[in-house]
Amino acid sequence: DGGITQSPKYLFRKEGQNVTLSCEQNLNHDAMYWYRQDPGQGLRLIYYSQIVNDFQKGDIAEGYSVSREKKESFPLTVTSAQKNPTAFYLCASTDPPGTYESFSGNTIYFGEGSWLTVV
Amino acid sequence: KQEVTQIPAALSVPEGENLVLNCSFTDSAIYNLQWFRQDPGKGLTSLLLIQSSQREQTSGRLNASLDKSSGRSTLYIAASQPGDSATYLCAVRQENYGGSQGNLIFGKGTKLSVKP
Repeated sequence: DGGITQSPKYLFRKEGQNVTLSCEQNLNHDAMYWYRQDPGQGLRLIYYSQIVNDFQKGDIAEGYSVSREKKESFPLTVTSAQKNPTAFYLCASTDPPGTYESFSGNTIYFGEGSWLTVV
Repeated sequence: KQEVTQIPAALSVPEGENLVLNCSFTDSAIYNLQWFRQDPGKGLTSLLLIQSSQREQTSGRLNASLDKSSGRSTLYIAASQPGDSATYLCAVRQENYGGSQGNLIFGKGTKLSVKP
């Protein structure tokens, strides 16, 4: 089945450590996104990528880094510079507008999320 | 800068009631609007997507409407059930990427509780 897979589901980070969250999609989507969600809060955009080998900073990019070397993969690294990384991280993907003629096209798909906790 | 607002932030209703969730946006230059459901600790599941040229979409007990000119969308849930309890988010897809805001703008959601 097509979809987005995030791993790991739960991750613990020690002070000063970098950790990487994986996001893989087999939907052949061009655009991919990383969001952070804090308890009781909305989604905040960290980074997004419109196409392979290209990505842009979102509203809260500081302390995070990404790469987009393959169309299906968009890993997120939480660096030691991110002072408050404990949160729920969500990855999403979609196709550019106009890709499909049917009205059901351009749906945004999300992974199941990854919980990151600092210990 | 696009802003998406959802009212109310939380809603509690008895089972069987019909209810309406609201979503408003400030910039009408959108490509589409999508409603999602999020269960605690889970990712977002797409419920309905409305293209900018459409007025509404229906799926089962759910009906979503879009008034692009006034910047409003509603999600109507008929005959609510305890299993409908979740947070409902709306998202607008901009016609253009807006720098650090990207092109997908989310509301903060409405937390729905349906009591048996």
